[in-house]
Amino acid sequence: DIVLTQSPESLALSLGERATINCKSSQSVSYSSTNQNFLAWYQQKPGQPPKLLIYWASARGSEVPERFSGSGSGTDFTLTISSLQAEDVAVYFCQQYYDTPVTFGQGTKVEIK
Amino acid sequence: QAQVVQSGTEVKRPGASVKVSCKASGFPFSAYHIVWVRQAPGQGLEWMGWISGYSGNTNSAQKFRGRVTMLTDTSTATAYMELRSLESDDTATYFCARGASSGRGLWFDTWGQGTLIVVSS
Repeated sequence: DIVLTQSPESLALSLGERATINCKSSQSVSYSSTNQNFLAWYQQKPGQPPKLLIYWASARGSEVPERFSGSGSGTDFTLTISSLQAEDVAVYFCQQYYDTPVTFGQGTKVEIK
Repeated sequence: QAQVVQSGTEVKRPGASVKVSCKASGFPFSAYHIVWVRQAPGQGLEWMGWISGYSGNTNSAQKFRGRVTMLTDTSTATAYMELRSLESDDTATYFCARGASSGRGLWFDTWGQGTLIVVSS
């Protein structure tokens, strides 16, 4: 199974600061020949289902604010929130869909300082 | 807009079975997969499997094979997940979601509200 390890486990930042969450895969989840990166990011607020933020490592989901961006390839990926807002308090998960079983990172909790 | 709505909370005894429904609307059911993901209290996300809305073909995680059945009713655009031989460790919120195909695996772009399954004697 492909193991995804997120860091940090939690972070607390002030409003307007940049948040950076990392996701490291135990093996590559990219096709170099087609430049495809089989990684998605989700946001989950308390008591709610996850919400798709990013797929193909960098494509934003429907109605996702531009302050959310994804980058990376191979085994190292990053989710960036350019200017943290109060409504961004949540747990963020990465997910690989390169191979089954589909696997998720353990989650990163983002709070306001 | 695309939406999936799940059935309500269930409380079951150990050894029992549970069947969760997931009704889709706002998109062509047969053009997508429906995936099942569970989340134990305070824990992360665990993929259980998915079913094609077109063919009914399924792919499930090894740990659930033999214990889970996934079905679809295309006439009502509803997917079902049955989990048998329940144990206390199966206490979790179960989500269905629409799976968007990458040609290999799926990402999950529309989620149901979740169904809490409590297994307790």
